[in-house]
Amino acid sequence: EDQVTQSPEALRLQEGESSSLNCSYTVSGLRGLFWYRQDPGKGPEFLFTLYSAGEEKEKERLKATLTKKESFLHITAPKPEDSATYLCAAKTQGGSEKLVFGKGTKLTVNP
Amino acid sequence: DAEITQSPRHKITETGRQVTLACHQTWNHNNMFWYRQDLGHGLRLIHYSYGVQDTNKGEVSDGYSVSRSNTEDLPLTLESAASSQTSVYFCASSPHGNEQFFGPGTRLTVL
Repeated sequence: EDQVTQSPEALRLQEGESSSLNCSYTVSGLRGLFWYRQDPGKGPEFLFTLYSAGEEKEKERLKATLTKKESFLHITAPKPEDSATYLCAAKTQGGSEKLVFGKGTKLTVNP
Repeated sequence: DAEITQSPRHKITETGRQVTLACHQTWNHNNMFWYRQDLGHGLRLIHYSYGVQDTNKGEVSDGYSVSRSNTEDLPLTLESAASSQTSVYFCASSPHGNEQFFGPGTRLTVL
């Protein structure tokens, strides 16, 4: 069974304190690893797609990386506005467009 | 600008009633998805569609149905609402092979 596991469930950081969120996956052939940001009361907002091990993508203070077993979302010098729940999802082989989501990491950045 | 909308944003209904949640996208995407999001479970796929007249069951489809009569709309119907269907519902759409874009969500309460 395809599974995506995110850790930690919750993370509190001080403004400027860099850290990483983890997304480990066990799927039958990865066709894409997706990161989303979700603010309270809103729908998930797309951040990145990674397709192959070694790939990296950056956007402002966020950098996503991918290995054969997991993905990391690195947050450099976070600001309070980076507070949100971050979701990762995997698309597996078989031609399906379905995504398997992890439960998310709730990030709080204190000023 | 192209977008994806959901209505209503909030709904309170009674056990046993039929409820339909609307989803409309103006991107002309072939793929559309319905998810529910509950604490402790993350996003779970209810139904999805790859085009007009195509519908498929997701992992939690019991008690729900969808129909796709045009590209823009994928309404979700709860045949006989149950308290276990109290949740936040998200609709998403995507072009083939790419990331999914989510709507703002509908918060449904079944009393």
